[in-house]
Amino acid sequence: SQKIEQNSEALNIQEGKTATLTCNYTNYSPAYLQWYRQDPGRGPVFLLLIRENEKEKRKERLKVTFDTTLKQSLFHITASQPADSATYLCAARGSQGNLIFGKGTKLSVKP
Amino acid sequence: NAGVMQNPRHLVRRRGQEARLRCSPMKGHSHVYWYRQLPEEGLKFMVYLQKENIIDESGMPKERFSAEFPKEGPSILRIQQVVRGDSAAYFCASSPANPGQAHTEAFFGQGTRLTVV
Repeated sequence: SQKIEQNSEALNIQEGKTATLTCNYTNYSPAYLQWYRQDPGRGPVFLLLIRENEKEKRKERLKVTFDTTLKQSLFHITASQPADSATYLCAARGSQGNLIFGKGTKLSVKP
Repeated sequence: NAGVMQNPRHLVRRRGQEARLRCSPMKGHSHVYWYRQLPEEGLKFMVYLQKENIIDESGMPKERFSAEFPKEGPSILRIQQVVRGDSAAYFCASSPANPGQAHTEAFFGQGTRLTVV
Protein backbone atom coordinates (compact mmCIF):
# COMPACT_ATOMS: atom_id res chain seq x y z
CA SER A 1 0.00 0.00 0.00
CA GLN A 2 1.05 3.60 -0.51
CA LYS A 3 3.01 4.88 2.47
CA ILE A 4 4.45 8.14 3.69
CA GLU A 5 7.06 7.72 6.41
CA GLN A 6 8.68 10.31 8.61
CA ASN A 7 11.44 8.47 10.38
CA SER A 8 12.03 10.84 13.27
CA GLU A 9 9.25 11.20 15.79
CA ALA A 10 11.05 14.03 17.54
CA LEU A 11 13.91 16.39 16.79
CA ASN A 12 15.53 18.70 19.35
CA ILE A 13 17.84 21.47 18.18
CA GLN A 14 19.36 24.68 19.46
CA GLU A 15 18.07 28.06 18.39
CA GLY A 16 19.87 29.39 15.33
CA LYS A 17 20.70 25.96 13.92
CA THR A 18 19.18 24.40 10.82
CA ALA A 19 16.49 21.77 11.38
CA THR A 20 16.29 19.01 8.76
CA LEU A 21 13.26 16.72 8.63
CA THR A 22 12.96 13.65 6.40
CA CYS A 23 10.00 12.22 4.51
CA ASN A 24 10.15 8.96 2.54
CA TYR A 25 7.47 7.42 0.36
CA THR A 26 7.06 3.82 -0.75
CA ASN A 27 5.02 1.82 -3.25
CA TYR A 28 4.16 4.74 -5.51
CA SER A 29 5.46 7.87 -7.20
CA PRO A 30 3.55 10.98 -6.15
CA ALA A 31 3.47 13.90 -8.52
CA TYR A 32 4.13 16.25 -5.63
CA LEU A 33 4.68 16.38 -1.89
CA GLN A 34 3.28 18.84 0.62
CA TRP A 35 4.49 19.95 4.03
CA TYR A 36 2.22 21.13 6.83
CA ARG A 37 2.76 22.52 10.31
CA GLN A 38 0.53 21.50 13.21
CA ASP A 39 0.48 23.18 16.61
CA PRO A 40 -1.04 21.43 19.67
CA GLY A 41 -4.82 21.48 19.65
CA ARG A 42 -5.02 22.99 16.18
CA GLY A 43 -5.49 21.83 12.60
CA PRO A 44 -2.56 21.48 10.20
CA VAL A 45 -1.54 24.53 8.18
CA PHE A 46 -0.07 24.25 4.69
CA LEU A 47 3.53 25.42 4.27
CA LEU A 48 5.02 24.30 0.96
CA LEU A 49 4.35 22.12 -2.06
CA ILE A 50 7.07 20.70 -4.31
CA ARG A 51 6.45 18.94 -7.63
CA GLU A 52 8.36 15.91 -8.86
CA ASN A 53 10.08 17.97 -11.55
CA GLU A 54 11.32 20.50 -9.00
CA LYS A 55 14.53 19.75 -7.16
CA GLU A 56 14.15 22.47 -4.56
CA LYS A 57 11.72 25.10 -3.39
CA ARG A 58 12.21 27.93 -0.90
CA LYS A 59 9.97 30.18 1.15
CA GLU A 60 11.63 32.58 3.57
CA ARG A 61 13.58 30.37 6.04
CA LEU A 62 12.03 27.17 4.68
CA LYS A 63 13.53 24.94 2.02
CA VAL A 64 12.14 21.69 0.60
CA THR A 65 13.90 19.22 -1.69
CA PHE A 66 12.45 16.32 -3.67
CA ASP A 67 14.65 13.40 -4.74
CA THR A 68 12.67 10.95 -6.87
CA THR A 69 15.63 8.54 -7.01
CA LEU A 70 15.83 8.24 -3.25
CA LYS A 71 12.03 8.61 -2.95
CA GLN A 72 12.61 11.25 -0.34
CA SER A 73 11.85 14.85 0.55
CA LEU A 74 13.88 16.92 2.99
CA PHE A 75 12.41 19.90 4.83
CA HIS A 76 14.84 22.47 6.21
CA ILE A 77 14.27 25.37 8.58
CA THR A 78 17.29 27.66 8.69
CA ALA A 79 18.10 29.99 11.60
CA SER A 80 15.53 28.13 13.68
CA GLN A 81 13.61 29.93 16.42
CA PRO A 82 11.65 28.65 19.43
CA ALA A 83 8.50 29.75 17.60
CA ASP A 84 9.27 27.09 14.98
CA SER A 85 8.56 24.40 17.58
CA ALA A 86 5.64 22.35 16.27
CA THR A 87 4.87 19.06 14.55
CA TYR A 88 5.66 19.00 10.84
CA LEU A 89 3.72 16.69 8.55
CA CYS A 90 4.59 15.44 5.09
CA ALA A 91 1.74 14.52 2.72
CA ALA A 92 1.22 13.14 -0.78
CA ARG A 93 -1.79 12.31 -2.88
CA GLY A 94 -3.26 8.83 -2.74
CA SER A 95 -4.64 7.03 -5.75
CA GLN A 96 -8.17 8.38 -5.20
CA GLY A 97 -7.17 11.99 -4.70
CA ASN A 98 -7.09 12.04 -0.92
CA LEU A 99 -4.00 13.31 0.91
CA ILE A 100 -2.00 10.68 2.79
CA PHE A 101 -0.02 11.99 5.75
CA GLY A 102 3.07 10.79 7.54
CA LYS A 103 2.97 10.56 11.33
CA GLY A 104 4.87 13.82 11.67
CA THR A 105 8.07 14.96 13.32
CA LYS A 106 7.81 16.99 16.52
CA LEU A 107 10.42 19.74 16.39
CA SER A 108 11.59 21.46 19.58
CA VAL A 109 13.86 24.48 19.25
CA LYS A 110 15.57 25.38 22.52
CA PRO A 111 16.65 28.96 23.22
CA ASN B 1 -13.38 34.56 3.54
CA ALA B 2 -13.89 32.38 6.59
CA GLY B 3 -11.78 29.27 6.90
CA VAL B 4 -12.99 25.73 7.34
CA MET B 5 -15.44 25.70 10.23
CA GLN B 6 -15.93 22.65 12.39
CA ASN B 7 -18.41 22.32 15.21
CA PRO B 8 -18.62 21.53 17.92
CA ARG B 9 -14.98 21.99 19.01
CA HIS B 10 -15.49 19.57 21.87
CA LEU B 11 -18.08 16.82 22.12
CA VAL B 12 -18.69 14.46 25.02
CA ARG B 13 -20.85 11.40 24.46
CA ARG B 14 -21.72 8.40 26.60
CA ARG B 15 -21.09 4.94 25.22
CA GLY B 16 -23.91 3.94 22.89
CA GLN B 17 -24.92 7.48 21.94
CA GLU B 18 -24.57 9.04 18.51
CA ALA B 19 -21.99 11.69 17.61
CA ARG B 20 -22.53 14.17 14.78
CA LEU B 21 -19.59 16.24 13.64
CA ARG B 22 -20.12 19.13 11.25
CA CYS B 23 -17.80 20.71 8.75
CA SER B 24 -18.44 23.78 6.61
CA PRO B 25 -15.77 24.01 3.89
CA MET B 26 -14.27 27.26 2.70
CA LYS B 27 -16.43 29.22 0.32
CA GLY B 28 -16.05 27.87 -3.19
CA HIS B 29 -14.58 24.55 -2.08
CA SER B 30 -16.37 21.46 -3.30
CA HIS B 31 -14.03 18.77 -1.93
CA VAL B 32 -14.10 17.69 1.71
CA TYR B 33 -11.86 15.24 3.55
CA TRP B 34 -12.23 13.81 7.04
CA TYR B 35 -9.29 12.65 9.14
CA ARG B 36 -8.96 11.13 12.58
CA GLN B 37 -6.01 11.79 14.88
CA LEU B 38 -5.12 10.05 18.11
CA PRO B 39 -2.70 11.70 20.60
CA GLU B 40 0.92 11.57 19.39
CA GLU B 41 -0.18 9.95 16.11
CA GLY B 42 -0.53 11.19 12.57
CA LEU B 43 -3.63 12.04 10.59
CA LYS B 44 -5.45 8.94 9.42
CA PHE B 45 -7.56 9.42 6.30
CA MET B 46 -11.19 8.41 6.66
CA VAL B 47 -13.30 9.65 3.76
CA TYR B 48 -13.20 11.99 0.75
CA LEU B 49 -16.42 13.57 -0.50
CA GLN B 50 -17.58 15.92 -3.17
CA LYS B 51 -21.03 17.50 -3.19
CA GLU B 52 -23.57 14.65 -2.88
CA ASN B 53 -20.93 12.01 -3.67
CA ILE B 54 -18.57 9.82 -1.66
CA ILE B 55 -15.37 9.53 -3.70
CA ASP B 56 -13.26 7.37 -1.37
CA GLU B 57 -14.31 5.90 1.96
CA SER B 58 -11.52 3.36 2.20
CA GLY B 59 -10.34 4.72 5.56
CA MET B 60 -13.68 4.65 7.28
CA PRO B 61 -14.80 1.72 9.46
CA LYS B 62 -17.56 -0.28 7.75
CA GLU B 63 -19.85 -0.21 10.75
CA ARG B 64 -21.23 2.69 12.79
CA PHE B 65 -19.48 5.40 10.72
CA SER B 66 -21.05 7.34 7.87
CA ALA B 67 -20.40 10.62 6.10
CA GLU B 68 -22.33 12.89 3.79
CA PHE B 69 -21.83 16.17 1.97
CA PRO B 70 -25.26 17.35 0.79
CA LYS B 71 -25.94 19.84 -1.95
CA GLU B 72 -26.79 22.42 0.69
CA GLY B 73 -25.30 22.63 4.16
CA PRO B 74 -22.24 21.27 5.90
CA SER B 75 -20.60 17.90 5.61
CA ILE B 76 -21.55 15.56 8.44
CA LEU B 77 -19.50 12.74 9.96
CA ARG B 78 -21.82 10.51 11.95
CA ILE B 79 -20.73 7.91 14.47
CA GLN B 80 -23.46 5.67 15.83
CA GLN B 81 -23.30 3.76 19.12
CA VAL B 82 -20.00 5.33 20.10
CA VAL B 83 -17.42 3.34 22.05
CA ARG B 84 -14.44 4.56 24.10
CA GLY B 85 -12.11 3.74 21.23
CA ASP B 86 -13.82 6.40 19.10
CA SER B 87 -12.35 9.12 21.35
CA ALA B 88 -10.04 11.17 19.14
CA ALA B 89 -9.68 14.47 17.30
CA TYR B 90 -11.54 14.53 14.00
CA PHE B 91 -10.31 17.00 11.42
CA CYS B 92 -12.04 18.17 8.29
CA ALA B 93 -10.22 19.70 5.33
CA SER B 94 -11.43 21.24 2.10
CA SER B 95 -9.95 22.12 -1.27
CA PRO B 96 -11.33 23.85 -4.33
CA ALA B 97 -10.46 20.94 -6.59
CA ASN B 98 -8.99 17.48 -6.54
CA PRO B 99 -5.52 18.00 -5.07
CA GLY B 100 -4.19 15.44 -7.46
CA GLN B 101 -5.31 17.40 -10.48
CA ALA B 102 -4.83 20.99 -9.46
CA HIS B 103 -1.88 20.59 -7.09
CA THR B 104 -3.72 22.57 -4.47
CA GLU B 105 -3.26 22.36 -0.77
CA ALA B 106 -5.91 21.33 1.73
CA PHE B 107 -7.27 23.81 4.25
CA PHE B 108 -8.01 22.33 7.66
CA GLY B 109 -10.50 23.19 10.35
CA GLN B 110 -9.56 23.28 14.03
CA GLY B 111 -11.03 19.86 14.65
CA THR B 112 -13.66 18.33 16.91
CA ARG B 113 -12.38 16.56 19.98
CA LEU B 114 -14.68 13.67 20.75
CA THR B 115 -14.58 12.13 24.20
CA VAL B 116 -16.60 9.01 24.90
CA VAL B 117 -17.26 8.38 28.59
